[in-house]
Amino acid sequence: DQQVKQNSPSLSVQEGRISILNCDYTNSMFDYFLWYKKYPAEGPTFLISISSIKDKNEDGRFTVFLNKSAKHLSLHIVPSQPGDSAVYFCAASAASSGSARQLTFGSGTQLTVLP
Amino acid sequence: SQTIHQWPATLVQPVGSPLSLECTVEGTSNPNLYWYRQAAGRGLQLLFYSVGIGQISSEVPQNLSASRPQDRQFILSSKKLLLSDSGFYLCASRGDTEAFFGQGTRLTVV
Repeated sequence: DQQVKQNSPSLSVQEGRISILNCDYTNSMFDYFLWYKKYPAEGPTFLISISSIKDKNEDGRFTVFLNKSAKHLSLHIVPSQPGDSAVYFCAASAASSGSARQLTFGSGTQLTVLP
Repeated sequence: SQTIHQWPATLVQPVGSPLSLECTVEGTSNPNLYWYRQAAGRGLQLLFYSVGIGQISSEVPQNLSASRPQDRQFILSSKKLLLSDSGFYLCASRGDTEAFFGQGTRLTVV
């Protein structure tokens, strides 16, 4: 049972355009969401996060939008750059998990930014 | 911020051999620690987590075990590796918000 889903395994975007990566979740107890970027043979690096009390968080070229009613979040990258090419993981956690605070990850989306 | 040291980076082991992957954390104390596995073409699956020394919780039944002998040390082990244990293993530490990951270990069981 996948609680966090990234239905697009891959996405190609032209340099300078907007990249939109989508993520859906099923667990209504999730209250904190994160996006990670991963290059091959490296560990994921944190990009941006959003708490369920907000619907938007922006950091430079990266903006995360949260639609709680639809249980959907998206990551917008604008303008996209070739260096943004990587696998992007959506993750979620629930305060109800207590001290464990596990992150549940989606399956990832491979973003390719074409020069 | 935290720094996660994980080694080795790559490992090729025969079926039935033992395994020991080590992870140490700098820049924090009493962190929550996690072992994840990324199988080829798949997402990150949580294997184990630990909220303190000697406290291990397993998320999925499997051939692996974990131990936390010190506050900032987390070890992933197996007595006898299976072919299905191949994958990319990641250690992570979580503070109040985001998790920090090590560089990962590519394990190939042959």
